[in-house]
Amino acid sequence: AQTVTQSQPEMSVQEAETVTLSCTYDTSESNYYLFWYKQPPSRQMILVIRQEAYKQQNATENRFSVNFQKAAKSFSLKISDSQLGDTAMYFCAFMKHEGGGADGLTFGKGTHLIIQP
Amino acid sequence: EPEVTQTPSHQVTQMGQEVILRCVPISNHLYFYWYRQILGQKVEFLVSFYNNEISEKSEIFDDQFSVERPDGSNFTLKIRSTKLEDSAMYFCASSPLAGGPIEQYFGPGTRLTVT
Repeated sequence: AQTVTQSQPEMSVQEAETVTLSCTYDTSESNYYLFWYKQPPSRQMILVIRQEAYKQQNATENRFSVNFQKAAKSFSLKISDSQLGDTAMYFCAFMKHEGGGADGLTFGKGTHLIIQP
Repeated sequence: EPEVTQTPSHQVTQMGQEVILRCVPISNHLYFYWYRQILGQKVEFLVSFYNNEISEKSEIFDDQFSVERPDGSNFTLKIRSTKLEDSAMYFCASSPLAGGPIEQYFGPGTRLTVT
């Protein structure tokens, strides 16, 4: 079984600052994906970014980027030029990939990110 | 942009009653999922569904739960004889055929309150 650990229950930064959310995971799988999901107060789960484990290059999506360290089983999310709308719970998630699409996501407990004006 | 929809947004039921939570996945998606999130806790996987049968289920998904795709658009989660601890947010998700993007797209959730 997989586990996902997010060690920062809450973080607070000023608008326009850069913030990094940490995530570590434990798995014996060799083929998997990692995701960051955002959950604003509306509680809708929104995909922020994904990373395929077989890719060495770190994924980026506009202001969001990851630092994927496969050997260390670490998958941190960096948010640059943070905006008030980034205030939300952020969940790190793991999905093994065995050739199909039916694998469930394993989530961490989340980090509550607060962007201060 | 197509999205996953869920109804109702909030369901209140009495302990021991049966509830059915409904989801309409994105139309060309073939994999469907249910997750739950107890207030203040992490999101937990319940079950995945493909080709009209369960593909994978967690230990949470016991005999109290069942899923069904009664027609070409709806995907339902039935909870028989609800318990207080079933109170949670229930999320439906869908993803496309394998080989394409593997992201799971989540619906807005149904808040279930068991009294």
